[in-house]
Amino acid sequence: DTAVSQTPKYLVTQMGNDKSIKCEQNLGHDTMYWYKQDSKKFLKIMFSYNNKELIINETVPNRFSPKSPDKAHLNLHINSLELGDSAVYFCASSAHYRDTYGYTFGSGTRLTVV
Amino acid sequence: AQSVTQPDIHITVSEGASLELRCNYSYGATPYLFWYVQSPGQGLQLLLKYFSGDTLVQGIKGFEAEFKRSQSSFNLRKPSVHWSDAAEYFCAVGLMEYGNKLVFGAGTILRVKS
Repeated sequence: DTAVSQTPKYLVTQMGNDKSIKCEQNLGHDTMYWYKQDSKKFLKIMFSYNNKELIINETVPNRFSPKSPDKAHLNLHINSLELGDSAVYFCASSAHYRDTYGYTFGSGTRLTVV
Repeated sequence: AQSVTQPDIHITVSEGASLELRCNYSYGATPYLFWYVQSPGQGLQLLLKYFSGDTLVQGIKGFEAEFKRSQSSFNLRKPSVHWSDAAEYFCAVGLMEYGNKLVFGAGTILRVKS
């Protein structure tokens, strides 16, 4: 059983489209995160949710909107996709945003905007 | 501002040789430090973490890291590298007061020659 699963693994889409990436964790964790890894492999946090409550909202375009229907799911919706959105998006979870035990990451979604 | 520096973009070592990957951080409080490994096309796997106590921490796959507060460093070591260790390695600091976000270094690509 995959602990943190993301779908799809690959996503190729045209500029201007709207797309969603789904993430689910079966670890019973309270906190989930979205990170973006750019073409230079640099990783940066985008959002985090703790039990459906937004905790971190970094400076990202408002075309990106996270949605957490329950604490086991954190989806990422992107409107009006641009070429610069091409990246690998990683979902992660941790027991709680106040714990110190580190994250479990998903395997990533490679988004290519053409 | 909090930051993590990995001075070496690429490192090449011979199989069986020892390895040290450097990591320096900039953070005012007690750091929570992590090393993650990313194989090509894969997600991030936690190698080891430091929260407090013994400054030499052991991780998976034979890796260890030493926290040196005076040098603001958390270098990763392995006494004998295997070809399967070829991957990209990321050092990160966990910011508990910022919702437990991770700030990553830029990564070090390890190549292993036979």
